[in-house]
Amino acid sequence: DAGITQSPRHKVTETGTPVTLRCHQTENHRYMYWYRQDPGHGLRLIHYSYGVKDTDKGEVSDGYSVSRSKTEDFLLTLESATSSQTSVYFCAISESRISYEQYFGPGTRLTVT
Amino acid sequence: AQSVTQPDIHITVSEGASLELRCNYSYGATPYLFWYVQSPGQGLQLLLKYFSGDTLVQGIKGFEAEFKRSQSSFNLRKPSVHWSDAAEYFCAVGAGDYKLSFGAGTTVTVRA
Repeated sequence: DAGITQSPRHKVTETGTPVTLRCHQTENHRYMYWYRQDPGHGLRLIHYSYGVKDTDKGEVSDGYSVSRSKTEDFLLTLESATSSQTSVYFCAISESRISYEQYFGPGTRLTVT
Repeated sequence: AQSVTQPDIHITVSEGASLELRCNYSYGATPYLFWYVQSPGQGLQLLLKYFSGDTLVQGIKGFEAEFKRSQSSFNLRKPSVHWSDAAEYFCAVGAGDYKLSFGAGTTVTVRA
């Protein structure tokens, strides 16, 4: 299995509070991704990174920001959590974006009350 | 942009029976195609992938998938399912913009 960890694995937070999720990899892969998983929608891309300090938006980026200061860490921040951001969040990594082959972390279940 | 359709939301199959999960995509050229499996409470695990060449690809856990260009399909099959195959399965397509698009998923229930 690819060396990907996510923290925390579970979190409950209140509406309006900021939340940061962490993805850590030990594979030294260049590309990292954040997805959210919701029933009936599969996985939808929030943001991705193609290198340290290089990030771009995915299809559902509103209300989220990311940062990548080191190759191994990719942080996802919910600036002011809303109930619509209750979801399971997955991080993925890829060695080459040309191959499209991605490996996923175990996920973080976030509940916003 | 490409899109991925998994027509079956839920499939129930008896242990030992065969399984086929459908995946259709829309894209002008041949995309990169993947099947992932997600066991309850777990992340996604790559089952198999197709880039080019032989249209029948073998994956892990005894799964195979066949790419049919004429039908824009990439269906997943297993000849004999085990109780441990109960999971959610996702088809994904990579085409043109270096991002994966996922289908909505098919949940497989295995009955004894």
